[in-house]
Parts: sequence; structure tokens; C-alpha cells
Amino acid sequence: AIQLTQSPSSLSASVGDRVTITCRASQGISSALAWYQQKPGKAPNLLIYDASNLESGVPSRFSGSGSGTDFTLTISSLQPEDFATYYCQQFNSYPLTFGQGTRLEIK
Amino acid sequence: EVQLVESGGGLVQPGGSLRLSCAASGFTFSSYWMHWVRQAPGKGLVWVSHINSDGSSISYADSVKGRFTISRDNAKNTLYLQMNSLRAEDTAVYYCTRAHPTLVVISYYWGQGTLVTVSS
Repeated sequence: AIQLTQSPSSLSASVGDRVTITCRASQGISSALAWYQQKPGKAPNLLIYDASNLESGVPSRFSGSGSGTDFTLTISSLQPEDFATYYCQQFNSYPLTFGQGTRLEIK
Repeated sequence: EVQLVESGGGLVQPGGSLRLSCAASGFTFSSYWMHWVRQAPGKGLVWVSHINSDGSSISYADSVKGRFTISRDNAKNTLYLQMNSLRAEDTAVYYCTRAHPTLVVISYYWGQGTLVTVSS
């Protein structure tokens, strides 16, 4: 199975900050990567697919990049509603796998 | 409005069985791939299984292969997960998800989840 390693595992930041989360795959996955946001007690919400495509309705401050084994999710200017846990997921091959998550907290 | 409503969770002893159901509405159920994703308390997301629109293509995570069976009834707009030989490590919230409109392998709509607790 393809392993996804996110870094950092947790992050403290302030409103207005620019934040980058990294996801590294154990083998090349082309651009078959998605990013989800999950708030406490809620189901995840899809942000990005195909590594860099912004899902409809997702604010443009979110962006994704990368291909092969290294990927990033960037939030250009943190808003209060962005404090949550973020997961990457690869869909290049089965079994589908998620990263361990990055918890983004308010500083 | 798309709705996915899971049911069937609860407390079960190790070695026991449960069948989860997911009632779908607000879209043409028979046209979409469906997935189960689980999340242990305080832990991350784990993909469990997928089934394609007509049930002819199915896959499982290694951790549940041979113990869990995914199925669907397109006439009843319902997705199922039969879970046998349950272990403590299967304790989790189980989410029913509908595939993305264009990327069938990723989850787009999610249910609210149903909690399965495996404990003696």
C-alpha cells in the first residue's frame, strides 16, 4: 500500500498567516491526490482534487500543488473558519490511503 | 439535496457481527460509486471499501479483507457493509460516502457517520 506522510502533524498559526502543509507519498502517484478539511465532530469536506484542482465552492485562498511524490496544500491567508484538521488522500492505486492528518490550531 | 444516512452501529463483542446500512437520497444512487471510510476515536481517516455503480467492482482495505463485505441495493437506494469477526481495532465511526461527480475514486458527499464499538 502507498503510504502518505504529512508534515507537520500539528501547526499553530494566526489569522492572516500563510500556511503550507506537505504530503509525501512512498511512491509516485502522478497527480492522484486529494485534500480534505475536517472540523471537530463533522464529516470531512473535499478541498482539492487531482493535486491542484480547487473543488467548486472552496475559497480561492486554498491551493494545491505537486506531482509524483511531493505535494503541498497552501492557505494564503488564514481565516478563523480554517482552523481544522487536514488530510491528504491518494487515489492512484488501491487500497486508497490517507495521510495521518495535520491539525491546524490557533496561535 | 444529497443525503446519506448511516444506521446499524452499536456495541458488539469481539468476534461478533454487525451490518451497517446507508440510505441515500437526493441523487440517482444507481449511477454512483460508493465508499465506506472509518475513523477511530481521535484518530485519522481510513478508507475501508468501495463498490462501483452496479456492484461489479469491489475492493477492500487489507485490514478488513475477508471479514467485511460491501454491497448495494439500487432498487432500495441503500449501501451496506456486513462486518464479521469484529476486532477491537475496528472500533470507529463509519462514514458512508458518495463518489465525486467526475472522479469516482474519491469521496464527495459524506454521511454523518455511525459509531461501531467492539468491546467485551
